Amino acid sequence: AQKVTQAQTEISVVEKEDVTLDCVYETRDTTYYLFWYKQPPSGELVFLIRRNSFDEQNEISGRYSWNFQKSTSSFNFTITASQVVDSAVYFCALSGPPDSWGKLQFGAGTQVVVTP
Amino acid sequence: GAVVSQHPSRVICKSGTSVKIECRSLDFQATTMFWYRQFPKQSLMLMATSNEGSKATYEQGVEKDKFLINHASLTLSTLTVTSAHPEDSSFYICSARVRDRPPNNEQFFGPGTRLTVL
Repeated sequence: AQKVTQAQTEISVVEKEDVTLDCVYETRDTTYYLFWYKQPPSGELVFLIRRNSFDEQNEISGRYSWNFQKSTSSFNFTITASQVVDSAVYFCALSGPPDSWGKLQFGAGTQVVVTP
Repeated sequence: GAVVSQHPSRVICKSGTSVKIECRSLDFQATTMFWYRQFPKQSLMLMATSNEGSKATYEQGVEKDKFLINHASLTLSTLTVTSAHPEDSSFYICSARVRDRPPNNEQFFGPGTRLTVL
């Protein structure tokens, strides 16, 4: 069975501080995908990144960066120099091999609160 | 990216009535769509997988007779909540997989439908 754990329920920071969101996953599949989504108060999910299990390269996109480590089954997400607009709930999600693509197992989410 | 729409965005109904929610892929064909439910302050839970031209596949614990899914075309899936009760009040989100683009496992989420049952 697949499982995604986001142990941090809420993180509060002051603007310009860095924020790191933890994500630990469990799966027996050798092929899988990991995702991060942002959900602002409006409710709409905003796609941030997709990473497959064979690509352990870390990635940086603007103020966002991701650290994927298969050895520890973790896919952590860092927001550098946070801004008030980053306030949202962030979900880590896991998808299995091709026959189950699209079926996402979401973590519980981490609420990020950025204050001016 | 591809666009997925949902209609209505918000609906309030009386207990016992049925509510239909539409999920449309606007600029691509989606052989498979997925329906998720999100209760307040909780995560998204997959309810069912909707396949064009065939019966939906429901996740364990989801009542198929209560949540009717019809995937009538490659661009439209509907979720009907039958005899809705207050405990069905939730945020319903659909997603659509892009046809013929499995290698990247791309899917796109709709904006969600907030259902309130009085």
